[in-house]
Amino acid sequence: DIQMTQSPSSLSASVGDRVTITCRASQSISSYLNWYQQKPGKAPKLLIYATSSLQSGVPSRFSGSGSGTYFTLTISSLQPEDFATYFCQQTYTFGQGTKLEIK
Amino acid sequence: QLQLQESGPGLVKPSETLSLTCTVSGGSISSSTYYWGWIRQPPGKGLEWIGSVFYSGTTYYNPSLKSRVTISVDTSKNQFSLKLSSVTAADTAVYYCARLAAVSVRWFDPWGQGTLVTVSS
Repeated sequence: DIQMTQSPSSLSASVGDRVTITCRASQSISSYLNWYQQKPGKAPKLLIYATSSLQSGVPSRFSGSGSGTYFTLTISSLQPEDFATYFCQQTYTFGQGTKLEIK
Repeated sequence: QLQLQESGPGLVKPSETLSLTCTVSGGSISSSTYYWGWIRQPPGKGLEWIGSVFYSGTTYYNPSLKSRVTISVDTSKNQFSLKLSSVTAADTAVYYCARLAAVSVRWFDPWGQGTLVTVSS
């Protein structure tokens, strides 16, 4: 089974900061990687699919990149509404999540 | 706009069977380009895929749950369902249903709001 490992597990940042979250796969998954945002008490929301394609309605400050086993989600300028938990996903496996908190 | 809504008991006794239904509105469940899936999230923890079903009835299950899971689809009602048998406290979680893209890159979108199922006597 392919394992997905996110880092860091938690991250403190300020409004306006640029942040990057990493997701590593235990073996190559080509570009088959998606990212989700989850706010407390809410369902996950698809942000990026196929490594770098922005889901409709998602702000352009979110971007994704990578291939093979190494992938990143970058938020170019944090907004107050971006403080949430982020998950990567490959087919049927999710990363453990990265909690983004206000510094 | 496609919407999914989970329904079912919020409390299940240990050793019994958890049963949930997901009702799809705003679109047809009989699409050849999507699967329909169940995902769960124990309180304060991460996401675990439970299984998926195609409108034809073809199913795919998480190997770790396969012996206890049954997912079925009712195209006449635009619904799909989850049954998880022999539940324990470890099955306490928020259960989500979601549409799963049936392409090489499989993503879940949209999701239902989720329903908390507690396993307790």
